[in-house]
Amino acid sequence: SYELTQPPSVSVSPGQTARITCSADALPKQYVYWYQQKPGQAPVLVIYKDSERPSGIPERFSGSSSATAVTLTISGVQAEDEADYYCQSAHSSGTYWVFGGGTKLTVL
Amino acid sequence: EVQLVESGGGLVQPGGSLRLSCAASGFTLSSYWMHWVRQAPGKGLVWVARMNSDGSSTTYADSVKGRFTISRDNAKNTLFLQMNSLRAEDTAVFYCARERPAPGDWGIDYWGQGTLVTVSS
Repeated sequence: SYELTQPPSVSVSPGQTARITCSADALPKQYVYWYQQKPGQAPVLVIYKDSERPSGIPERFSGSSSATAVTLTISGVQAEDEADYYCQSAHSSGTYWVFGGGTKLTVL
Repeated sequence: EVQLVESGGGLVQPGGSLRLSCAASGFTLSSYWMHWVRQAPGKGLVWVARMNSDGSSTTYADSVKGRFTISRDNAKNTLFLQMNSLRAEDTAVFYCARERPAPGDWGIDYWGQGTLVTVSS
């Protein structure tokens, strides 16, 4: 099976940089997507195709990719960024989709 | 404005059935692949099922294969999820979601607000 692994939690102080990683257990690596979910709300797409930012998403959100993992970076973290973040990818030509377990970002 | 509105959730006994609906507006449903994603209380997102734009192709997560059926009525702008043989572990908020339209761009650009399904005796 294809799995995505995220750290359960990340904590940062306001104004610092938060980095959340997502690693896949199989190759070849497909594009990864990142979603932000606040309590009681539906998820919102914040990064697509590893590093592209949808319109309306603040520039402090960015994504990057390496051979072993994909990273969501939030620069200058604000209190409103406190949320759960999920990575997602698809394999077998998009047939099967998978989400990472989620990372709870706490703004201290 | 794109909107996805789920309905049909509720309390059902183990072994029972439920049919979820997702009313789409603000876009042409027949042009998009669609998904169901669920989230158990306090847990993470789990992909459930995917259907292509004309309804001729479907895929399912192993955990629901043979029990759940995704379908659509493009003329009525509605996506469905028929859930049979429900188990306690199926208890979750079920989200209807729209896949991004570009080929190979396998992410979700719009989500509904979800409908809660509770399986309990």
